[in-house]
Amino acid sequence: DTAVSQTPKYLVTQMGNDKSIKCEQNLGHDTMYWYKQDSKKFLKIMFSYNNKELIINETVPNRFSPKSPDKAHLNLHINSLELGDSAVYFCASSQQMNRGPTFGSGTRLTVV
Amino acid sequence: QKEVEQNSGPLSVPEGAIASLNCTYSDRGSQSFFWYRQYSGKSPELIMFIYSNGDKEDGRFTAQLNKASQYVSLLIRDSQPSDSATYLCAVNTGGFKTIFGAGTRLFVKA
Repeated sequence: DTAVSQTPKYLVTQMGNDKSIKCEQNLGHDTMYWYKQDSKKFLKIMFSYNNKELIINETVPNRFSPKSPDKAHLNLHINSLELGDSAVYFCASSQQMNRGPTFGSGTRLTVV
Repeated sequence: QKEVEQNSGPLSVPEGAIASLNCTYSDRGSQSFFWYRQYSGKSPELIMFIYSNGDKEDGRFTAQLNKASQYVSLLIRDSQPSDSATYLCAVNTGGFKTIFGAGTRLFVKA
Protein backbone atom coordinates (compact mmCIF):
# COMPACT_ATOMS: atom_id res chain seq x y z
CA ASP A 1 0.00 0.00 0.00
CA THR A 2 1.20 3.50 -0.81
CA ALA A 3 1.21 5.52 2.35
CA VAL A 4 3.00 7.43 5.03
CA SER A 5 3.81 5.03 7.83
CA GLN A 6 5.21 5.88 11.22
CA THR A 7 6.21 3.82 14.22
CA PRO A 8 5.49 3.33 16.99
CA LYS A 9 1.78 4.11 17.18
CA TYR A 10 1.90 4.55 20.95
CA LEU A 11 4.80 5.58 23.15
CA VAL A 12 4.63 5.86 26.94
CA THR A 13 7.80 6.93 28.66
CA GLN A 14 9.12 8.67 31.75
CA MET A 15 10.33 12.22 32.01
CA GLY A 16 13.97 12.63 31.13
CA ASN A 17 14.09 9.70 28.72
CA ASP A 18 15.13 9.90 25.08
CA LYS A 19 12.88 8.44 22.37
CA SER A 20 12.65 8.24 18.59
CA ILE A 21 9.78 8.10 16.12
CA LYS A 22 10.36 6.75 12.63
CA CYS A 23 8.56 7.74 9.43
CA GLU A 24 8.66 6.41 5.91
CA GLN A 25 6.71 7.37 2.80
CA ASN A 26 6.49 5.39 -0.43
CA LEU A 27 4.56 8.04 -2.34
CA GLY A 28 7.65 9.40 -4.09
CA HIS A 29 7.16 12.79 -2.44
CA ASP A 30 10.06 15.21 -2.10
CA THR A 31 8.84 17.04 0.99
CA MET A 32 8.29 15.61 4.46
CA TYR A 33 7.05 17.18 7.67
CA TRP A 34 6.60 16.68 11.38
CA TYR A 35 3.48 18.13 12.98
CA LYS A 36 2.47 18.14 16.64
CA GLN A 37 -1.19 17.95 17.67
CA ASP A 38 -1.83 18.93 21.26
CA SER A 39 -4.68 18.03 23.58
CA LYS A 40 -6.81 20.82 22.10
CA LYS A 41 -6.34 19.25 18.67
CA PHE A 42 -4.32 22.18 17.35
CA LEU A 43 -2.02 20.90 14.61
CA LYS A 44 1.28 22.80 14.56
CA ILE A 45 4.10 22.41 12.07
CA MET A 46 7.47 21.57 13.59
CA PHE A 47 9.82 20.80 10.69
CA SER A 48 9.81 20.65 6.90
CA TYR A 49 12.36 18.78 4.85
CA ASN A 50 12.79 18.89 1.09
CA ASN A 51 15.02 16.29 -0.56
CA LYS A 52 16.66 15.53 2.79
CA GLU A 53 17.39 19.20 3.50
CA LEU A 54 15.90 21.01 6.51
CA ILE A 55 13.80 23.90 5.23
CA ILE A 56 11.67 24.91 8.19
CA ASN A 57 12.33 24.69 11.92
CA GLU A 58 9.42 26.31 13.70
CA THR A 59 11.17 27.42 16.91
CA VAL A 60 11.07 23.91 18.25
CA PRO A 61 13.28 23.27 21.33
CA ASN A 62 16.61 21.80 20.34
CA ARG A 63 15.72 18.68 22.35
CA PHE A 64 13.88 17.74 19.15
CA SER A 65 16.22 16.64 16.38
CA PRO A 66 14.88 15.48 13.04
CA LYS A 67 16.97 13.38 10.69
CA SER A 68 16.35 12.53 7.06
CA PRO A 69 18.67 9.78 5.77
CA ASP A 70 16.96 9.92 2.37
CA LYS A 71 13.94 11.66 0.93
CA ALA A 72 11.65 8.73 1.82
CA HIS A 73 12.48 8.78 5.53
CA LEU A 74 12.21 11.39 8.24
CA ASN A 75 12.82 10.42 11.84
CA LEU A 76 12.33 12.46 14.98
CA HIS A 77 14.50 12.05 18.07
CA ILE A 78 13.51 13.69 21.32
CA ASN A 79 15.94 14.11 24.20
CA SER A 80 15.13 14.70 27.86
CA LEU A 81 11.40 14.27 27.45
CA GLU A 82 9.14 16.64 29.40
CA LEU A 83 5.49 16.36 30.43
CA GLY A 84 4.60 19.08 27.92
CA ASP A 85 5.87 16.93 25.07
CA SER A 86 2.85 14.66 25.46
CA ALA A 87 0.90 14.95 22.22
CA VAL A 88 0.21 13.17 18.96
CA TYR A 89 3.06 13.56 16.47
CA PHE A 90 2.18 13.26 12.80
CA CYS A 91 4.59 12.67 9.99
CA ALA A 92 3.40 13.91 6.58
CA SER A 93 4.64 14.28 3.04
CA SER A 94 3.69 16.21 -0.08
CA GLN A 95 4.59 16.02 -3.75
CA GLN A 96 5.31 19.73 -4.08
CA MET A 97 5.74 22.44 -1.53
CA ASN A 98 2.30 23.93 -2.19
CA ARG A 99 0.37 20.65 -2.14
CA GLY A 100 -1.63 19.50 0.84
CA PRO A 101 0.36 17.08 3.00
CA THR A 102 -0.61 13.42 3.29
CA PHE A 103 -0.48 12.35 6.92
CA GLY A 104 0.70 9.21 8.63
CA SER A 105 -1.43 7.58 11.30
CA GLY A 106 0.29 9.42 14.14
CA THR A 107 2.29 8.53 17.24
CA ARG A 108 0.62 9.21 20.57
CA LEU A 109 3.41 10.14 22.98
CA THR A 110 2.63 10.16 26.69
CA VAL A 111 5.28 11.38 29.10
CA VAL A 112 4.68 10.39 32.74
CA GLN B 1 -2.90 37.15 15.75
CA LYS B 2 -3.53 33.56 14.71
CA GLU B 3 -2.58 32.90 11.12
CA VAL B 4 -5.55 30.65 10.29
CA GLU B 5 -8.75 31.13 12.25
CA GLN B 6 -11.80 28.91 12.46
CA ASN B 7 -14.81 28.82 14.71
CA SER B 8 -14.20 25.87 17.00
CA GLY B 9 -17.88 24.97 17.12
CA PRO B 10 -19.41 22.59 17.66
CA LEU B 11 -21.57 23.14 14.63
CA SER B 12 -24.68 21.00 14.74
CA VAL B 13 -26.84 20.39 11.67
CA PRO B 14 -29.66 17.94 10.97
CA GLU B 15 -29.15 15.11 8.51
CA GLY B 16 -29.74 16.26 4.95
CA ALA B 17 -28.97 19.93 5.66
CA ILE B 18 -26.09 22.02 4.35
CA ALA B 19 -23.15 22.45 6.71
CA SER B 20 -21.16 25.64 6.23
CA LEU B 21 -17.64 25.87 7.63
CA ASN B 22 -15.61 29.06 7.51
CA CYS B 23 -11.98 30.04 7.76
CA THR B 24 -9.98 33.25 7.56
CA TYR B 25 -6.24 33.64 7.10
CA SER B 26 -3.83 36.47 7.72
CA ASP B 27 -1.10 36.09 5.07
CA ARG B 28 -2.20 37.83 1.85
CA GLY B 29 0.50 36.03 -0.10
CA SER B 30 -1.02 32.60 0.55
CA GLN B 31 -1.58 30.62 -2.62
CA SER B 32 -2.97 27.20 -1.72
CA PHE B 33 -5.88 26.34 0.52
CA PHE B 34 -7.01 23.00 1.86
CA TRP B 35 -9.76 21.38 3.86
CA TYR B 36 -9.02 18.30 5.92
CA ARG B 37 -11.39 16.03 7.79
CA GLN B 38 -10.24 14.39 11.01
CA TYR B 39 -12.23 11.71 12.78
CA SER B 40 -11.58 11.23 16.48
CA GLY B 41 -8.37 9.28 17.02
CA LYS B 42 -7.48 9.33 13.33
CA SER B 43 -5.14 11.36 11.15
CA PRO B 44 -6.23 14.35 9.04
CA GLU B 45 -7.45 13.44 5.56
CA LEU B 46 -7.35 15.89 2.67
CA ILE B 47 -10.84 16.31 1.20
CA MET B 48 -10.63 19.52 -0.85
CA PHE B 49 -8.05 21.93 -2.20
CA ILE B 50 -8.52 25.24 -3.99
CA TYR B 51 -6.04 27.65 -5.53
CA SER B 52 -8.17 30.22 -7.39
CA ASN B 53 -10.92 32.60 -6.37
CA GLY B 54 -14.40 31.19 -6.73
CA ASP B 55 -16.03 27.86 -6.11
CA LYS B 56 -14.76 24.34 -6.56
CA GLU B 57 -17.16 21.42 -6.32
CA ASP B 58 -16.41 17.75 -5.67
CA GLY B 59 -19.41 15.56 -4.99
CA ARG B 60 -21.23 16.88 -1.92
CA PHE B 61 -18.38 19.25 -1.07
CA THR B 62 -17.88 22.80 -2.34
CA ALA B 63 -14.86 24.89 -1.42
CA GLN B 64 -15.09 28.66 -1.82
CA LEU B 65 -12.16 31.07 -1.89
CA ASN B 66 -12.15 34.85 -1.69
CA LYS B 67 -8.58 36.12 -1.61
CA ALA B 68 -9.60 39.77 -1.32
CA SER B 69 -11.44 38.98 1.90
CA GLN B 70 -8.89 36.30 2.93
CA TYR B 71 -11.72 33.89 3.41
CA VAL B 72 -12.15 30.20 2.65
CA SER B 73 -15.25 28.14 3.23
CA LEU B 74 -16.44 24.56 2.87
CA LEU B 75 -20.03 23.62 2.17
CA ILE B 76 -21.22 20.08 2.74
CA ARG B 77 -24.53 19.36 1.04
CA ASP B 78 -26.93 16.61 2.16
CA SER B 79 -24.97 16.19 5.39
CA GLN B 80 -24.77 12.65 6.75
CA PRO B 81 -24.01 11.40 10.27
CA SER B 82 -20.78 10.00 8.84
CA ASP B 83 -19.69 13.59 8.11
CA SER B 84 -19.46 14.21 11.87
CA ALA B 85 -15.79 15.04 12.42
CA THR B 86 -13.42 17.94 12.95
CA TYR B 87 -12.74 19.95 9.80
CA LEU B 88 -9.36 21.64 9.55
CA CYS B 89 -8.67 24.57 7.28
CA ALA B 90 -5.05 24.71 6.07
CA VAL B 91 -3.14 27.35 4.15
CA ASN B 92 0.17 27.17 2.35
CA THR B 93 1.84 30.47 3.09
CA GLY B 94 4.58 29.97 0.54
CA GLY B 95 7.52 27.66 0.42
CA PHE B 96 7.30 24.52 2.45
CA LYS B 97 4.96 25.73 5.16
CA THR B 98 1.33 24.62 5.41
CA ILE B 99 -0.33 25.84 8.58
CA PHE B 100 -3.61 24.71 10.09
CA GLY B 101 -6.49 26.30 11.89
CA ALA B 102 -7.68 24.87 15.18
CA GLY B 103 -10.57 23.06 13.45
CA THR B 104 -14.36 23.16 13.61
CA ARG B 105 -16.21 20.22 15.14
CA LEU B 106 -19.24 19.23 13.09
CA PHE B 107 -22.10 17.10 14.40
CA VAL B 108 -24.72 15.82 11.97
CA LYS B 109 -27.83 14.67 13.82
CA ALA B 110 -29.75 11.72 12.40
